[in-house]
Amino acid sequence: AQSVTQLGSHVSVSEGALVLLRCNYSSSVSVYLFWYVQYPNQGLQLLLKYLSGSTLVKSINGFEAEFNKSQTSFHLRKPSVHISDTAEYFCAVRPSGGYQKVTFGTGTKLQVIP
Amino acid sequence: GAGVSQSPSNKVTEKGKDVELRCDPISGHTALYWYRQRLGQGLEFLIYFQGNSAPDKSGLPSDRFSAERTGESVSTLTIQRTQQEDSAVYLCASSPRISGSSNEQFFGPGTRLTVL
Repeated sequence: AQSVTQLGSHVSVSEGALVLLRCNYSSSVSVYLFWYVQYPNQGLQLLLKYLSGSTLVKSINGFEAEFNKSQTSFHLRKPSVHISDTAEYFCAVRPSGGYQKVTFGTGTKLQVIP
Repeated sequence: GAGVSQSPSNKVTEKGKDVELRCDPISGHTALYWYRQRLGQGLEFLIYFQGNSAPDKSGLPSDRFSAERTGESVSTLTIQRTQQEDSAVYLCASSPRISGSSNEQFFGPGTRLTVL
């Protein structure tokens, strides 16, 4: 079985600041990793994903996440956040083999302050 | 349709009543998930259907909760004898079965259930 831990249920940062949202996972097999975002009053949508290859993956809106196998982490960061990044961010993991269940973390609410 | 749809979008019911929530996945998606999101909390896995395999019901919180899916189409989540703690947004997601794919999930807009 897999598990996901997101440290910090709420994070507040000023606009233009660097933000780091932490995600650690536990799994006995190789995994795919995801970050989903839920903007206020909207549904969840995929932000970025790691499947294989380069351990640094990027989204179109400036977020990036780095897969660190030794530390079993997939932290999400953005060098300079915008007010529009205010949302809840969920880390998720699933085994890379077969067709298996996705496990989500409990989410981190990011509040960007003007 | 273009995406996952759920109905109703809002449901208000009285304690003790039964409710049915519906999810229409994206056509061709073999996997379907139900999650619960209580106010201010994260996603809570409820149940997972993958094709014709036996569903993974490990997340259902009690025997008041059940779900069905006919083939690879519509799914219904039923909550019997609703309690106030069942109040939450119920989310449905589907994903395709494509070899070598990450099986990204596509989420519906959710059903907001309020139990008075």
